[in-house]
Amino acid sequence: QLQLQESGPGLVKPSVTLSLTCTVSGGSITSSSYYWGWIRQPPGKGLEWIGSIYYSGSTYFNPSLKSRVAISVDTSKNHFSLRLSSVTAADTAVYYCAKGAFDYVWGNYRYLDYWGQGTLVTVSS
Amino acid sequence: EIVLTQSPATLSLSPGERATLSCGASQSVSSRNLAWYQQKPGLAPRLLIYDASRRATGIPDRFSGSGSGTDFSLTISRLEPEDFAVYYCQQYGSSQTFGQGTRVEIK
Repeated sequence: QLQLQESGPGLVKPSVTLSLTCTVSGGSITSSSYYWGWIRQPPGKGLEWIGSIYYSGSTYFNPSLKSRVAISVDTSKNHFSLRLSSVTAADTAVYYCAKGAFDYVWGNYRYLDYWGQGTLVTVSS
Repeated sequence: EIVLTQSPATLSLSPGERATLSCGASQSVSSRNLAWYQQKPGLAPRLLIYDASRRATGIPDRFSGSGSGTDFSLTISRLEPEDFAVYYCQQYGSSQTFGQGTRVEIK
């Protein structure tokens, strides 16, 4: 059974870079039919897709966050990571990592079928 | 960016009743690339429906999805107590975006 687990600081100061890691177990991060994504949810609000990565390193991001986001994958550790720079209070949210279905024939990123439990990150001085 | 608008914001129903949730897209969603997720308080979202009408593994057949182009819907044929939750649609045909959610609450 595939499992994903987010890890990282629960409190970060404004203007710094938020860093989170998602460790994958029960499956390989290099599967050709998977991709990996980050989604966030501010307290009491809806879901916002942040960005996604394929094991090859190919990425794509939410245009509204693209200038501040980096996502990387470490195949040796079977994990992938999120970095969000210049954070403000508006970045306070539960951050989820997830596995998606990748159509390797057409190169399409599709639905998200496994999610981590989420981790709350609060931006405050 | 494709904007998804879900309606209604809140649906108040009793167990056993039928629920119909709508998701409208600002542009046509290619190849019916639309999914529905259920989220309960304190938990991660769970995939219910993908490709507009395909049920995910383990999802009961009281959940069904339909639609194409700019108009999609999720139907729960008979509400069970565990179905009261928030439901989100997501399109993955052009980048990815989520709707703002519909809360299904007990009347």
